[in-house]
Amino acid sequence: AQSVTQLGSHVSVSEGALVLLRCNYSSSVPPYLFWYVQYPNQGLQLLLKYTTGATLVKGINGFEAEFKKSETSFHLTKPSAHMSDAAEYFCAVSPPINAGNNRKLIWGLGTSLAVNP
Amino acid sequence: ETGVTQSPTHLIKTRGQQVTLRCSSQSGHNTVSWYQQALGQGPQFIFQYYREEENGRGNFPPRFSGLQFPNYSSELNVNALELDDSALYLCASSLRDYTNTEAFFGQGTRLTVV
Repeated sequence: AQSVTQLGSHVSVSEGALVLLRCNYSSSVPPYLFWYVQYPNQGLQLLLKYTTGATLVKGINGFEAEFKKSETSFHLTKPSAHMSDAAEYFCAVSPPINAGNNRKLIWGLGTSLAVNP
Repeated sequence: ETGVTQSPTHLIKTRGQQVTLRCSSQSGHNTVSWYQQALGQGPQFIFQYYREEENGRGNFPPRFSGLQFPNYSSELNVNALELDDSALYLCASSLRDYTNTEAFFGQGTRLTVV
């Protein structure tokens, strides 16, 4: 069964500092990987995704993530944090194309990012 | 804005009551998934509908049921509400065909059971 682990339920960085949010997955086959952001009292917005091809993917708002199969990781980074980045971040996986019909997303518990002035 | 609309945005119900939540999917999307997000938790998959048929279900009891209509909009029904059903309910629409794996989420419905 697939599972997602996000290390660190709370991460605090200073404005302008590097953001690193960690995500590891467990899956018998390489899944599709996603990062979503959730602002207070709002739904989920896709930041970026990895399906196939280049393992370094760039998303919105200056975020990027690298798929490392050997480490079963998909960590999210941003070189310089902005105050507006403060939100909840979720890593999610779903089965790849040939792994079945159900396209449900399996989610980590989330990491709350605080950005200090 | 994703084009996925959920209603109502907030709802308060009494234990034992029934509730219906609604979701209008993004134009062209034929698949709708429902998730429950308890406070401080990640979303949990409830079920998915593809072309009006259930296409997978998570670990939720039968009192959670759904419908998808010919226009691909969807409803989530919960009977015999319990206090633990209090959560944010999220609807996500996507394309079932495998060229597009992205799901677009609505703003959610915040359900409080008292």
